[in-house]
Amino acid sequence: EAGVVQSPRYKIIEKKQPVAFWCNPISGHNTLYWYRQNLGQGPELLIRYENEEAVDDSQLPKDRFSAERLKGVDSTLKIQPAELGDSAVYLCASSLIETQYFGPGTRLLVL
Amino acid sequence: GENVEQHPSTLSVQEGDSAVIKCTYSDSASNYFPWYKQELGKRPQLIIDIRSNVGEKKDQRIAVTLNKTAKHFSLHITETQPEDSAVYFCAPNMFSGGYNKLIFGAGTRLAVHP
Repeated sequence: EAGVVQSPRYKIIEKKQPVAFWCNPISGHNTLYWYRQNLGQGPELLIRYENEEAVDDSQLPKDRFSAERLKGVDSTLKIQPAELGDSAVYLCASSLIETQYFGPGTRLLVL
Repeated sequence: GENVEQHPSTLSVQEGDSAVIKCTYSDSASNYFPWYKQELGKRPQLIIDIRSNVGEKKDQRIAVTLNKTAKHFSLHITETQPEDSAVYFCAPNMFSGGYNKLIFGAGTRLAVHP
């Protein structure tokens, strides 16, 4: 069974530029999560989807971050414009019921 | 608000010794208690989890114990090996911002020396 797939794995951009991350969850998993992991810390939830619906986006900085999950499968997380403080690893996870499985993450560096 | 604390923040043991990491949480309604292992530059991987109707669960060299009354649960690794070296995160589910979600601790860096 394929795991959660994310791309790109690494991204370096200059501040004020836009960036997008893509996630393909485990087949059949209806719930999809986006987390941000700062260096030396645990992951923090940004947004959770149940199928196409964002059911928890309370931690998503909505002035610059947006996400979508069209057709209830793949998801895209976008930052526009990026700031220096957005440098982090962006992790996608999916679950069928409760156990969450993580993708390899996208390491973002904003210069 | 939600609060998850892990102790110790770093742990160094000799190969073959046991390691114990404790996680304290604040939400008495929490009912799901997973532990994740994250090697350097890799994804967090679930290594064991427990639900509130069980006090202990074991999987080969790894075990988790839960004390709901005291609101803490612990990860136990016996006969440690160098490949156990990683950062370990507890992530109890907690009610935060109007939603039930996993809240990750700050992590415990375990080093197993040959």
